[in-house]
Amino acid sequence: NAGVTQTPKFRVLKTGQSMTLLCAQDMNHEYMYWYRQDPGMGLRLIHYSVGEGTTAKGEVPDGYNVSRLKKQNFLLGLESAAPSQTSVYFCASSYSPGRNQPQHFGDGTRLSIL
Amino acid sequence: QQPVQSPQAVILREGEDAVINCSSSKALYSVHWYRQKHGEAPVFLMILLKGGEQKGHEKISASFNEKKQQSSLYLTASQLSYSGTYFCGTGGFSGGGNKLTFGTGTQLKVEL
Repeated sequence: NAGVTQTPKFRVLKTGQSMTLLCAQDMNHEYMYWYRQDPGMGLRLIHYSVGEGTTAKGEVPDGYNVSRLKKQNFLLGLESAAPSQTSVYFCASSYSPGRNQPQHFGDGTRLSIL
Repeated sequence: QQPVQSPQAVILREGEDAVINCSSSKALYSVHWYRQKHGEAPVFLMILLKGGEQKGHEKISASFNEKKQQSSLYLTASQLSYSGTYFCGTGGFSGGGNKLTFGTGTQLKVEL
């Protein structure tokens, strides 16, 4: 059972370039999340989805877009990358609904913007 | 607003105990605890729900004080494997997609 898989694992971009990060889960979870993790800042929610075809903004959504066309996939896009978006990005999923469901995290994507 | 974790960092000798606190300025309905080792993904430890329930996971347990809007994680007889960064994630009202707001983490290092 793969759980939550993120691709790519590492990427270096130049300022202004675009890219898409892919998150795939095989646990049939309804809810999916994208976080970024910066030193000393903890995990901050970028966007999330409560089901196929739905997305919503989190704490730090500016500069990012997302899509959830299939239940198992959640895509995070950077249209015009900026150095401030250098970070480690984590995807997570959880079974819905309820407050007692843990979030399962992928291994992360380390993204550097030069 | 992010919950506040304390201490920010702690060093223990193997076998010692530690307490990590997580405080929120907002009403809490749930608190999740995760551990993250360097370069790895956060791993779920336990969830506490509104009601002051205490939970345990091997030698790691936690409590949830609704009145103080605070949760505490207790690590007893620490082992080398307990080293890592501990994050609390707080949940607000019961709706909202099970969103969590994470604290900035507590770095725990266990030495021989």
